Amino acid sequence: DAKTTQPTSMDCAEGRAANLPCNHSTISGNEYVYWYRQIHSQGPQYIIHGLKNNETNEMASLIITEDRKSSTLILPHATLRDTAVYYCIVRAKSNDYKLSFGAGTTVTVRA
Amino acid sequence: DVKVTQSSRYLVKRTGEKVFLECVQDMDHENMFWYRQDPGLGLRLIYFSYDVKMKEKGDIPEGYSVSREKKERFSLILESASTNQTSMYLCASSLGFLGELFFGEGSRLTVL
Repeated sequence: DAKTTQPTSMDCAEGRAANLPCNHSTISGNEYVYWYRQIHSQGPQYIIHGLKNNETNEMASLIITEDRKSSTLILPHATLRDTAVYYCIVRAKSNDYKLSFGAGTTVTVRA
Repeated sequence: DVKVTQSSRYLVKRTGEKVFLECVQDMDHENMFWYRQDPGLGLRLIYFSYDVKMKEKGDIPEGYSVSREKKERFSLILESASTNQTSMYLCASSLGFLGELFFGEGSRLTVL
């Protein structure tokens, strides 16, 4: 069962904010939203995670809607090095180890 | 910084060979994972381990086994490699139940 839905691809202009949407309409109250990204020929890299509140770190911001059915990852000033596949994942505490990565969103940052 | 090191970036093996993929992490993480990544299928969990000598099947364990004799090392074993096991294999580790995953750079295996 797909727990998250993301667009297949999106383009972004260098220097602009990139807003990556994710739908997780069946999320449970104790499930976290995680974001990872995978740059070509590398392993995935953790970006950020959240439960209810919006979160920000040095890489990105995570905005979770009040009903928690969707979220948006924001890269505030996209650079060419942000070109990657971005994965939105919901982690269930009862089944946490079986972390499933879907196809993700392929983000291309253009100069 | 956490480092997860996979022994080989590229391997070419023949059908029927026994293949070992090694993974070492240097941050004393309890949890270690093996995934395979194929175009259009994302990352799929093969096996994970939450402690030394402990292992659990992931979503696609068939044709694979694992070994964790030491906390820092988690090995993936293909007893008799087949062409449908040609893939990118990714090892990861994490601390605690909800800890972020740290991935290695991957091992691209081709089985001829």
